[in-house]
Amino acid sequence: EVQLVESGGGLIQPGRSLRLSCTVSGFTFGDYAMSWFRQAPGKGLDWVGFIRSKAYGGTTEYAASVKGRFTISRDDSKSIAYLQMNSLKTEDTAVYYCTRGHGGNSVGSLDWGQGTLVTVSS
Amino acid sequence: DIQMTQSPSSLSASVGDRVTITCRASQGISNNVAWFQQRPGKAPKSLIYAASSLQSGVPSKFSGSGSGTDFTLTISSLQPEDFATYYCQQYNSFPLTFGGGTKVEIK
Repeated sequence: EVQLVESGGGLIQPGRSLRLSCTVSGFTFGDYAMSWFRQAPGKGLDWVGFIRSKAYGGTTEYAASVKGRFTISRDDSKSIAYLQMNSLKTEDTAVYYCTRGHGGNSVGSLDWGQGTLVTVSS
Repeated sequence: DIQMTQSPSSLSASVGDRVTITCRASQGISNNVAWFQQRPGKAPKSLIYAASSLQSGVPSKFSGSGSGTDFTLTISSLQPEDFATYYCQQYNSFPLTFGGGTKVEIK
């Protein structure tokens, strides 16, 4: 069974950093691209960023709103994708989801995790 | 950025009704559209990719169509578990963008 489990969320002050993890099971993590999305309370879905599999260079893409502040990485040996969030702003408050693509260079979202809530507030 | 205009933003329907939701892209995006269902308090679930391909395990009452700029999601016979919010998404180019969502409520 495919599972994606996000963790690392919580209450954090503006300007601080937080790292989210997406731990997966049920598939060969290294073969797939991974994406991060977020959903502010009561709002719609927003794309955060994307990382290709190592076979496609492991390169990343980011939304303009997070570029330069957020970094996506992956540890294929541990089957974990990370979202490092720096210089957090109140508008980053959201539930963050990770998703699995259809392949190593696919931005599709085949499977979703349950999400982890990040609250940025003083 | 490609804008996805989804309509209606909400609708009321009865069990057994046929429901159609539309999405219009601000420029041509081939068939690079996905549809997601989100029940209250839950994570989104993938229904359709490549505009018309059904995700594994998704009931055949869901169908998608379209190409270029105009896309539709149809639910052939609405059931209680289908009352949710539905989102379209384009993945033709970065940044990936979503429609505003359609909340399907019980009449």
